[in-house]
Amino acid sequence: LAKTTQPISMDSYEGQEVNITCSHNNIATNDYITWYQQFPSQGPRFIIQGYKTKVTNEVASLFIPADRKSSTLSLPRVSLSDTAVYYCLVGDSGNTGKLIFGQGTTLQVKP
Amino acid sequence: ETGVTQTPRHLVMGMTNKKSLKCEQHLGHNAMYWYKQSAKKPLELMFVYSLEERVENNSVPSRFSPECPNSSHLFLHLHTLQPEDSALYLCASSQGHIESYEQYFGPGTRLTVT
Repeated sequence: LAKTTQPISMDSYEGQEVNITCSHNNIATNDYITWYQQFPSQGPRFIIQGYKTKVTNEVASLFIPADRKSSTLSLPRVSLSDTAVYYCLVGDSGNTGKLIFGQGTTLQVKP
Repeated sequence: ETGVTQTPRHLVMGMTNKKSLKCEQHLGHNAMYWYKQSAKKPLELMFVYSLEERVENNSVPSRFSPECPNSSHLFLHLHTLQPEDSALYLCASSQGHIESYEQYFGPGTRLTVT
């Protein structure tokens, strides 16, 4: 699976839009980009997945440029409850269930 | 509530004990997983089961023994563990083990080995 690089930590304030960028320079043609969220002492939770351009759901948006070597998770108007670790993963649809988690980005939302 | 439950939520055991972790999913999924999350380390995949057959064993020591009696239940049997095995053990499930990027995780079992 392609290696990903994301910032270790980010700070934000309530009501702001937060953008977390992930680099995946070695992404393969068949790879999808997936983001998970994890609160302390809980299991990760699937947020969003995309292949190219833009994907939006009720929680977040995912922006993927044409070269797909990076992606940006956008969280609109964050609240204190969005404080969590966010993981970016890439992998192809033919994998054997191997989600390879990196260190993730710890987002701290302040009042 | 993700539809995946784990028991117990907390477990303290000595190195000579034998214990089991239980996971149950109520989502009708066909694949189940065990992950280990140690302090300040990324999640590590331990085992993958698809339709009750083990399809992945990620070089896990034999003191960890998984069991999947049916597609809804997954166990992790523990024996003669080491203090470095103390971690959060997470169970997850997905519709299938291929194209399984949307995995549903349980709350985990916090294991402490003394």
